[in-house]
Amino acid sequence: DADVTQTPRNRITKTGKRIMLECSQTKGHDRMYWYRQDPGLGLQLIYYSFDVKDINKGEISDGYSVSRQAQAKFSLSLESAIPNQTALYFCATSQQGVTQYFGPGTRLTVL
Amino acid sequence: KNEVEQSPQNLTAQEGEFITINCSYSVGISALHWLQQHPGGGIVSLFMLSSGKKKHGRLIATINIQEKHSSLHITASHPRDSAVYICAGGSQGNLIFGKGTKLSVKP
Repeated sequence: DADVTQTPRNRITKTGKRIMLECSQTKGHDRMYWYRQDPGLGLQLIYYSFDVKDINKGEISDGYSVSRQAQAKFSLSLESAIPNQTALYFCATSQQGVTQYFGPGTRLTVL
Repeated sequence: KNEVEQSPQNLTAQEGEFITINCSYSVGISALHWLQQHPGGGIVSLFMLSSGKKKHGRLIATINIQEKHSSLHITASHPRDSAVYICAGGSQGNLIFGKGTKLSVKP
């Protein structure tokens, strides 16, 4: 089984809908991250969390919210999806001083 | 100007060639990461380094802190090395990513 899993893997939704992307990890890492990737722009950090009670905004947090329900789970929500949130979303985990491990990605399309 | 710049953006090589991808950064970092993104989209971390040089198989990563520059080298390149290579720098887990270098290795 994969160490970092994301659900769903693909999602098509309509403008204005609320969407939740979920991330789970079995690596026992404290730190979890949400990124989005757009063609030609590279990965951008949305939110990150260093433990269950810690939530930090990244460079593009507007329009997104997160929840760290447990050490192993980190969810990303789009309260009211808009077309320019169409992107590939990645979750990642790490421990301090250790490299990041990425999930397989969720391809989100907002019509 | 991006805080993390990679060059080249695209690179085509023949199998067996020695490949170098460069990364320059303008932000203060505690570590520099090299990632590989496969054509299917999955991302794998190759190296995390804060000084000197690291080697894993045919891959070598170096960093010069004073010049704020890192390089990723691939020796004896193979078509299976075809992927997008991404460098990222940051501290406290807050990474800034380069736009990636798309490598295509022809047989």
